[in-house]
Amino acid sequence: AQSVAQPEDQVNVAEGNPLTVKCTYSVSGNPYLFWYVQYPNRGLQFLLKYITGDNLVKGSYGFEAEFNKSQTSFHLKKPSALVSDSALYFCAVRDGNYGQNFVFGPGTRLSVLP
Amino acid sequence: KAGVTQTPRYLIKTRGQQVTLSCSPISGHRSVSWYQQTPGQGLQFLFEYFSETQRNKGNFPGRFSGRQFSNSRSEMNVSTLELGDSALYLCASRTGERTGIAEAFFGQGTRLTVV
Repeated sequence: AQSVAQPEDQVNVAEGNPLTVKCTYSVSGNPYLFWYVQYPNRGLQFLLKYITGDNLVKGSYGFEAEFNKSQTSFHLKKPSALVSDSALYFCAVRDGNYGQNFVFGPGTRLSVLP
Repeated sequence: KAGVTQTPRYLIKTRGQQVTLSCSPISGHRSVSWYQQTPGQGLQFLFEYFSETQRNKGNFPGRFSGRQFSNSRSEMNVSTLELGDSALYLCASRTGERTGIAEAFFGQGTRLTVV
């Protein structure tokens, strides 16, 4: 069965500092990995995905993520955080060899302090 | 290009009633999935429809059902509402190819409150 863990419920970072939101996954086949962001009372917005190829994936709004197969991780990163990055972040996995639906992690709330 | 549209945005229903939620996907997208989001359970997959057929289903009771029309618009129905059905219901659309590599685009959701 597929599963996603986001070990931190909350991440606090000062504006201008680098940020990392952690994600680890478990799938039986090839992992398709995604990051989404949710602002209050809104749906989820797609940030980036890893399907195959380069382990470093660049996405929207200056975010990037690093795929690490040996550690089964897909951490989200940004070199310099903005206050406007404060939101709820979800990591999701789709098993490329099995199903079609996402399995989401529990979410990590990011607070960027001015 | 218009995004995913969900209606209504907010609903208040009484226990025992039924409710229908609507989702219009992005033009050209043939796959529509539904998710339930609650503070306790997070985001949980309900079902996916592709070309008017249910392609995948999550672990929800039979009170939760859905359908998809020929124009790809989808509805989900919840019968005999329970307090625990209070949640944000999110619809997601994507192109629907079976490789699974396409990202999904989400609507703003319907906030259902059962009293």
